[in-house]
Amino acid sequence: KAGVTQTPRYLIKTRGQQVTLSCSPISGHRSVSWYQQTPGQGLQFLFEYFSETQRNKGNFPGRFSGRQFSNSRSEMNVSTLELGDSALYLCASSLVGRGMDTGELFFGEGSRLTVL
Amino acid sequence: AQSVTQPDIHITVSEGASLELRCNYSYGATPYLFWYVQSPGQGLQLLLKYFSGDTLVQGIKGFEAEFKRSQSSFNLRKPSVHWSDAAEYFCAVMEYGNKLVFGAGTILRVKS
Repeated sequence: KAGVTQTPRYLIKTRGQQVTLSCSPISGHRSVSWYQQTPGQGLQFLFEYFSETQRNKGNFPGRFSGRQFSNSRSEMNVSTLELGDSALYLCASSLVGRGMDTGELFFGEGSRLTVL
Repeated sequence: AQSVTQPDIHITVSEGASLELRCNYSYGATPYLFWYVQSPGQGLQLLLKYFSGDTLVQGIKGFEAEFKRSQSSFNLRKPSVHWSDAAEYFCAVMEYGNKLVFGAGTILRVKS
């Protein structure tokens, strides 16, 4: 069974540009969550999607957005990039999106974004 | 707000020695607790989880963790560390839905 797939794995952008990251969850998983990992702030929750609806959102500015498609694949977008957006962006999928029925998140290997 | 504290940023142990990584959480209700491991350049791999029931939880790779409500702790243990265990370890508590709140992580170094 294929795991969570994130593309691209590495990318370099310049300040002011925008970026789109993609996440394909494990087959059958309907919940997709996004996390940002930086040396200074650690792992922080961005948002979660379940059945194409954003169910939960972290404390990030509106420049960070996401969406989920009918096949559960998800994208996140960061507009007007800042140097501080350089990070590893991790996607996680879960079989169940409501409550804490399973609570098990499976993570991808991440997309490493460098902003110059 | 929920929070997770991992007091040790770095820990070094000798190969074959026992290991304990500390984790304290702040959460109002019965917590759902997790330990994840991350190798350099990799994503997060789930080691074990606690939802309810037996407070001693067994995980993969020979790890176990004990939930102690009175101490708000969920410490990770391994009786004999292998060089391949060198990695960063994260403790996390689950909030509503699938939102994980992570600790800052503990970097484990294994010396031969």
